[in-house]
Order: sequence, then structure tokens, then C-alpha cells
Amino acid sequence: AQKITQTQPGMFVQEKEAVTLDCTYDTSDPSYGLFWYKQPSSGEMIFLIYQGSYDQQNATEGRYSLNFQKARKSANLVISASQLGDSAMYFCAMREVPISTDSWGKLQFGAGTQVVVTP
Amino acid sequence: DAGVIQSPRHEVTEMGQEVTLRCKPISGHDYLFWYRQTMMRGLELLIYFNNNVPIDDSGMPEDRFSAKMPNASFSTLKIQPSEPRDSAVYFCASSPGGINQPQHFGDGTRLSIL
Repeated sequence: AQKITQTQPGMFVQEKEAVTLDCTYDTSDPSYGLFWYKQPSSGEMIFLIYQGSYDQQNATEGRYSLNFQKARKSANLVISASQLGDSAMYFCAMREVPISTDSWGKLQFGAGTQVVVTP
Repeated sequence: DAGVIQSPRHEVTEMGQEVTLRCKPISGHDYLFWYRQTMMRGLELLIYFNNNVPIDDSGMPEDRFSAKMPNASFSTLKIQPSEPRDSAVYFCASSPGGINQPQHFGDGTRLSIL
């Protein structure tokens, strides 16, 4: 079953506008972490922001913020004041508490949302 | 700080040839991951290691694929024999342990099998 769902395959946003990228997740664990990555056309995967399931506040990093709604199991990424350089694919990912202590690392990724920022 | 280093950046080879992709993780990171990315299948986890030991190789597509991590600073992903459907971007990533630790990705190897 899909653990991470990103329902928007692509979207356009105008420069200087804010954009919200949807991410819903599926887990029965009370403890988990949520990550967002950016992949520009050059191909590298860039870590943007992290939200822990027990964090009281929504995470923020510069122009990136997370709209974390735990009861709805959603962790939407908000990019404020979009710039042309924000055009990229954006991936949501989740890490659950592993069964064994040597399995902490694994992330499960969504399919991604392609964002195009227009002048 | 040096990031995850992958080589080569690009590889073009003929079907049937052996392909070896290399990765140097970030020093001190306990976990190393190999991913494959294609338009059709997205980002797939192939295998990952903890302290040089393979933990989960359930994503390795078939016996033609193998991965090793002989020490904490080096890993290889080998395809033998290669096939055109193996064409993809292969990423290596590393991270410390812990629920809040992001994976740090290399720049990827773009592999084309003719």
C-alpha cells in the first residue's frame, strides 16, 4: 500500500505567489518523521525541511513551512514568495520507527509534484 | 563538508557489459542507500546498509544487480550483465541513524544502456 500520497502531479505558480504542495501519509506508528526534498532539473536531491510527529510547532525553514495536520495525516509544504529557482520536482517522504534498531534509515517517498514558477 | 560523492556522473555502455557505480558516503554516516529513478517507476530504494552490513535488499530488481560496502567510506553497485531497461539515474545517499536525520544524496549517475 502507498504510504505517501502526493495527489498533484504538477502545478503552475506565478512568481512571488505562495504555493501549497499536498502530502498525505499512512502510518499507525505514533512516532514518525516527515521530510520534503526538492529536485531541480539538474537532478540533485536537496533536503528542505523536517517535521517530527511529536513536534508541537509546524516546521519552518526560510520560505518553506510545513502545514502539519496530524489528525488528518497530512504534511503540506508551503513555499512563500515563489521564485523562478523554485521550479523543480518536490518529494514528500516519511520515516517510521523501525522494527529493529539497525533499520532507522529507511525513507518512503511519494511520487512527487512538479512545480513550474512563471514570471 | 564534502557531500556524498558518486562516480561516474554519466555512463553509456552497450547491453551485456558490466557496469560499476561507486559511492563515497559522508564521513560518520552509518547508513548508505542506493536508489534508482526513472520516469515510469519514480524513485525506488534498491538496497541499504547499516555499518557496512546490508539490511534490506528487497528492492534489488534481480540477480544481475549486486551491491557491496567493503568499508565505511565506499560502496559499489554492480550490474552484470546490463540491459537497456536498466537505464536510469542511480542515486547514493547516506544518513546518520535517528528518526529526524535526513538522507543526503549524491548527484547521481545517469546510466544509459544501448
